[in-house]
Amino acid sequence: EVHLVESGGGLVQPGGSLRLSCAASGFTFGTYWMSWVRQAPGKGLEWVANIKQDGSEKYYVDSVKGRFSISRDNAKDSLFLQMNSLTAEDTAIYYCARDLVGGSPGIDYWGQGTLVTVSS
Amino acid sequence: QSVLTQPPSVSGAPGQRVTISCTGSSSNIGTGYDVHWYQQVSGIAPKLLIYGNTNRPSGVPDRFSGSKSGTSASLAITGLQAEDEGDYYCQSYDSSLSVWVFGGGTKLTVL
Repeated sequence: EVHLVESGGGLVQPGGSLRLSCAASGFTFGTYWMSWVRQAPGKGLEWVANIKQDGSEKYYVDSVKGRFSISRDNAKDSLFLQMNSLTAEDTAIYYCARDLVGGSPGIDYWGQGTLVTVSS
Repeated sequence: QSVLTQPPSVSGAPGQRVTISCTGSSSNIGTGYDVHWYQQVSGIAPKLLIYGNTNRPSGVPDRFSGSKSGTSASLAITGLQAEDEGDYYCQSYDSSLSVWVFGGGTKLTVL
């Protein structure tokens, strides 16, 4: 069974940094694209970034380009999101997600999410 | 303002059928990108409901079905049950923005 468990969320001041982690199990992690998707309180879903199986390709939504960095460690079945220069608009639940295989981009499994709150 | 437009809310009585629309444009749904649907119940993590416009993952009841035509897609739920209450999101890819796009979500209420 696929399991994705996020960690690293918390309260951070504006301008601060945070590193999210996602531990994957139940599948061959290194053979899947992986994504981060966020959901601001009471709002809808927003795709943030994704990364190719070997880490050679990474894509980001414009609002986080230059501030966030997605990475992975296939030896440890782990996905990361380094978030810098955080603003209140980054406050959200961040979900680690496994990308669909084939067809158009999408997600077949989601983690339970980790809450990031940016506030002074 | 979401790139994909969904009605904010829909409702129906138990046993009834409801549909949720997802309207896009020529740079996303209309250009051939698939639409996927997700269900989010009680604020917990979303769950894949329909992928590739019409396909149900294993374990999703056949009460749920998806369709796509032109620049729009729809999710139909038949035989409504109380457990279906929650938020439903459509998602595709936009080639002009080069980004995954979600609809704003539709809250389903079972009366």
